Amino acid sequence: DAGVTQSPTHLIKTRGQQVTLRCSPKSGHDTVSWYQQALGQGPQFIFQYYEEEERQRGNFPDRFSGHQFPNYSSELNVNALLLGDSALYLCASSLVRASNTGELFFGEGSRLTVL
Amino acid sequence: AQSVAQPEDQVNVAEGNPLTVKCTYSVSGNPYLFWYVQYPNRGLQFLLKYITGDNLVKGSYGFEAEFNKSQTSFHLKKPSALVSDSALYFCAVRDEISGNTGKLIFGQGTTLQVKP
Repeated sequence: DAGVTQSPTHLIKTRGQQVTLRCSPKSGHDTVSWYQQALGQGPQFIFQYYEEEERQRGNFPDRFSGHQFPNYSSELNVNALLLGDSALYLCASSLVRASNTGELFFGEGSRLTVL
Repeated sequence: AQSVAQPEDQVNVAEGNPLTVKCTYSVSGNPYLFWYVQYPNRGLQFLLKYITGDNLVKGSYGFEAEFNKSQTSFHLKKPSALVSDSALYFCAVRDEISGNTGKLIFGQGTTLQVKP
């Protein structure tokens, strides 16, 4: 049973560029959430996708956008990169019917460095 | 506003000794509480959760957590620490404002160092 997979694992970009991160949820899961974890901090919620729509959004600017595909996989896009966007980006999957009480399953993350 | 606090940046314990990693929370309704562990350069792994029921919750790898409503705490414990338990531990609470979207609010994390 494959868990949550993310790609790429590491990437380096320069300020002003755009990046796309990808996530495949755990088998059987239908909901994908994205978190940003800055160095030395706890993860911060970016947004969540279900049925190919954004259900909830955290306190992140519109430069952060996402998409969910019919197979439940998801992408996170960040435009006009800033130095402060350097972080570990975590994808987590879950079942919408267990949203309140079910745990999130996290991927290994994509480490983004902005120079 | 909901929040989670982990008052200790680091906890040091000798192998074989009991360990406690502290967490306090603030919510207006019933709390849904979680503990996750993160090893270096890895994602988060679920350890245990409290939804309702017994105040002592048992989880993975011999960890347990005690829910205390009067003290609004959810401390992580293990009777006998292993060197391999050394990692970063996060306490989290389900965001109640957003309803059933599954958003978690995480604490800042506590580094557990177990020495041989």
